[in-house]
Amino acid sequence: DAKTTQPPSMDCAEGRAANLPCNHSTISGNEYVYWYRQIHSQGPQYIIHGLKNNETNEMASLIITEDRKSSTLILPHATLRDTAVYYCIVRGSGSSNTGKLIFGQGTTLQVKP
Amino acid sequence: KAGVTQTPRYLIKTRGQQVTLSCSPISGHRSVSWYQQTPGQGLQFLFEYFSETQRNKGNFPGRFSGRQFSNSRSEMNVSTLELGDSALYLCASGHTGPSTDTQYFGPGTRLTVL
Repeated sequence: DAKTTQPPSMDCAEGRAANLPCNHSTISGNEYVYWYRQIHSQGPQYIIHGLKNNETNEMASLIITEDRKSSTLILPHATLRDTAVYYCIVRGSGSSNTGKLIFGQGTTLQVKP
Repeated sequence: KAGVTQTPRYLIKTRGQQVTLSCSPISGHRSVSWYQQTPGQGLQFLFEYFSETQRNKGNFPGRFSGRQFSNSRSEMNVSTLELGDSALYLCASGHTGPSTDTQYFGPGTRLTVL
């Protein structure tokens, strides 16, 4: 599975958009980009995933660059409850099956009033 | 639809004891994975079960074991507990497995070894 690189921490003002970047320069064609978040001492919560196209759901938007080497998770109107550690994971499929999710250190997002 | 449930939520044990943790996946999910989370090592994969068979295993000693039942519920067991086993133990479930579909996590079991 491809390795991901995320900034260790970011701040965002409440009500503003939070843009969390992730680099995955070694991603291969059949690998998906997944985002999870973990609020203090709870289980990771699935947010969104994508392969090539940009994706949007009720929680967030995922923008994947055309070369797929990086992506950005966007929380459009951050609230204090969005303060969490955000993990970007590249998940293999088919022949790159490793049977597990590989979590890095993630980005700690602090939303401030 | 109910989420992944884990019992117990908190557990305190002493060194040398053994412990069994339980995970009930989302209804219809057949894959259950277990992870250990510690401040120093982060989230690390323990093992994954699918249809009562262990398909993948992480780099943990044999004191860590698991099983899955016909209803997809899973248990993990840690024998001869060590202080370093203190951690948040998480399970995740999915339809087909971590490599092919979305995994959903439970709230975790916080194990403290004294």
